[in-house]
Amino acid sequence: GAGVSQSPRYKVAKRGQDVALRCDPISGHVSLFWYQQALGQGPEFLTYFQNEAQLDKSGLPSDRFFAERPEGSVSTLKIQRTQQEDSAVYLCASSPRAYEQYFGPGTRLTVT
Amino acid sequence: SQQGEEDPQALSIQEGENATMNCSYKTSINNLQWYRQNSGRGLVHLILIRSNEREKHSGRLRVTLDTSKKSSSLLITASRAADTASYFCATVPTGNAGNMLTFGGGTRLMVKP
Repeated sequence: GAGVSQSPRYKVAKRGQDVALRCDPISGHVSLFWYQQALGQGPEFLTYFQNEAQLDKSGLPSDRFFAERPEGSVSTLKIQRTQQEDSAVYLCASSPRAYEQYFGPGTRLTVT
Repeated sequence: SQQGEEDPQALSIQEGENATMNCSYKTSINNLQWYRQNSGRGLVHLILIRSNEREKHSGRLRVTLDTSKKSSSLLITASRAADTASYFCATVPTGNAGNMLTFGGGTRLMVKP
């Protein structure tokens, strides 16, 4: 069956531009997570949804980062006024139950 | 910030050899998981070990957990070139209702044919 998909796979933005990253989770998965992975590092948690409710956004690095999942399925991570330090791979994961997470291929964001 | 550290940061071995990677973490946990990431790809779940388990096997993978030392190890036996990837441990801290993962920095494994 289809896994988690993310789009775009690659995004180049000029500093100051807004970007929107999309995640399509596995159908029926209740939980959805966003992680940020800097080059050569492990992923770091950004935010978590259970259905449409954003239950934890403690990992969002600044108020320029915003995530939504309005119908409890597709999620969008938006970054306003991008900065160079936002350059990273943004990973989305979904989960049907406790603990096991299924990851998408990620969106590599480069801010120039 | 990341939960812990992985050791070594990079490992290069010959095909057929065993590869051992270690992970240390800081807080009490519900479980610890290992993931693999091929270059430019997402993470793939390999194995989960619960806090009350000490050892778990899955195919060529063997994972140990020592909660008193807050450490885990992943052993890949009879390695293959296709095992070349980065390997990450990830923990779910005790009391974490959302089950979000806290990752280590990863071990980059290269298996030479």
